[in-house]
Amino acid sequence: EPEVTQTPSHQVTQMGQEVILRCVPISNHLYFYWYRQILGQKVEFLVSFYNNEISEKSEIFDDQFSVERPDGSNFTLKIRSTKLEDSAMYFCASSASGELGNQPQHFGDGTRLSIL
Amino acid sequence: AQSVTQPDIHITVSEGASLELRCNYSYGATPYLFWYVQSPGQGLQLLLKYFSGDTLVQGIKGFEAEFKRSQSSFNLRKPSVHWSDAAEYFCAVGRAAGNKLTFGGGTRVLVKP
Repeated sequence: EPEVTQTPSHQVTQMGQEVILRCVPISNHLYFYWYRQILGQKVEFLVSFYNNEISEKSEIFDDQFSVERPDGSNFTLKIRSTKLEDSAMYFCASSASGELGNQPQHFGDGTRLSIL
Repeated sequence: AQSVTQPDIHITVSEGASLELRCNYSYGATPYLFWYVQSPGQGLQLLLKYFSGDTLVQGIKGFEAEFKRSQSSFNLRKPSVHWSDAAEYFCAVGRAAGNKLTFGGGTRVLVKP
């Protein structure tokens, strides 16, 4: 069964540094998402992306965050200047359609981001 | 705004016993509802979904869930739990015409031999 692949599985970064989290969505999917889960808290929506532009973003997704689909297979999340509170598990997801009922979101195994 | 509550943070169940995980949602229209499972070190795997039709939905791994509009609930059940069902379970709600998922806080299930 096709999978969403995320790399790296664990990223350790100094506060203030830039970090890029990478995702390879399922190949025929058109909608892409990032979520995060701070330790002990809920999974939170960050951003959705379709047709090379952001379709929705949460209040968490401020100017420090950006997303990109640099080629036909990768989908990246960049945090420009990391803060301690960015430490979390970041999940990438993809779906074949924006209509949730027909095509649910499939999630990767996540990248654990630790900011020192 | 949509929200999801999972009242039980932890549940311990004996292997072979039945399991029920509670989920209550708040949403202004007909919701799309999901249950995901997360095993240690793994991502979120979809167990089942509801968006219309029969209010009792069947999923993978022997799980089922029942949508009760009058109670704003979407509880997950399994008649006989296996040790491999030990994991964290997340209920989620989405908008019919949108694509953002809102998750509950999760319920961690421990299975006793």
